[in-house]
Amino acid sequence: AQSVTQLDSQVPVFEEAPVELRCNYSSSVSVYLFWYVQYPNQGLQLLLKYLSGSTLVESINGFEAEFNKSQTSFHLRKPSVHISDTAEYFCAVSGDSGAGSYQLTFGKGTKLSVIP
Amino acid sequence: DAGVIQSPRHEVTEMGQEVTLRCKPISGHNSLFWYRQTMMRGLELLIYFNNNVPIDDSGMPEDRFSAKMPNASFSTLKIQPSEPRDSAVYFCASSLAPKPQHFGDGTRLSIL
Repeated sequence: AQSVTQLDSQVPVFEEAPVELRCNYSSSVSVYLFWYVQYPNQGLQLLLKYLSGSTLVESINGFEAEFNKSQTSFHLRKPSVHISDTAEYFCAVSGDSGAGSYQLTFGKGTKLSVIP
Repeated sequence: DAGVIQSPRHEVTEMGQEVTLRCKPISGHNSLFWYRQTMMRGLELLIYFNNNVPIDDSGMPEDRFSAKMPNASFSTLKIQPSEPRDSAVYFCASSLAPKPQHFGDGTRLSIL
C-alpha cells in the first residue's frame, strides 16, 4: 500500500521569495515520485519526476525536488517564485501494483498563492 | 503530438439522465486511468485499465458507474442514473508504464 502526505493545504508567499512545498510518502515497494501542477480550470500537468539516478530533479521553470529515501520525502522547492506559479501542486507516488500496472497515489494538494 | 483527449469538456444534465464521458488516450500508451476531482474529496482514482483490461475498479462509487475500454484508443465512463452528488470534474489519464501519466483537460459535469 502507498500513501502521500502533503502537510500544507495552502501556502501564501510573496513574489520573488523562496518556497518549499512538503511531501512525504510511504510505500512497501520501490517507488517513482512525481509533482504535478494544476492551474485553474485545467488538467494536471507533470512538473517533474524521479524515476532513478540523481536524487535531485529539476523542472524547466525553476522548480526542483530532492528524493530523500531515509526521510521518505520529496519536497518541492523554488528559490524565487513568480505570480504565474500560483496554482495547486500535487505530489504523487507510483509503484508496481502487480501485472505491470503503475497506479498513482496522490496527495491532497497544496495551493500556492503568490502575492504581488 | 496529441495529448489525452476528453469529451465533452462540459456537461450539464438533469438528475436521472445517463451521462457518458469519453477519452482517447495517447497512442502507444498501455494504461488508462479515470479520476474524479471535487473540492470535498480532492482527486480520486475511479478505475484503471492495463492493456484494455480493467485492473482495479475499487474506486468506482457504486453500481451506477461503469467504465469500458473496447480498444486501445478509446474508453468511456458512464453514469446511469446520474445524481447531483456526481457533479465533479472527471479526468482521464494515460501512460506507458512506468512512465508518468498524462492527463486530459477534464470533463466538468454538473447534474441538476
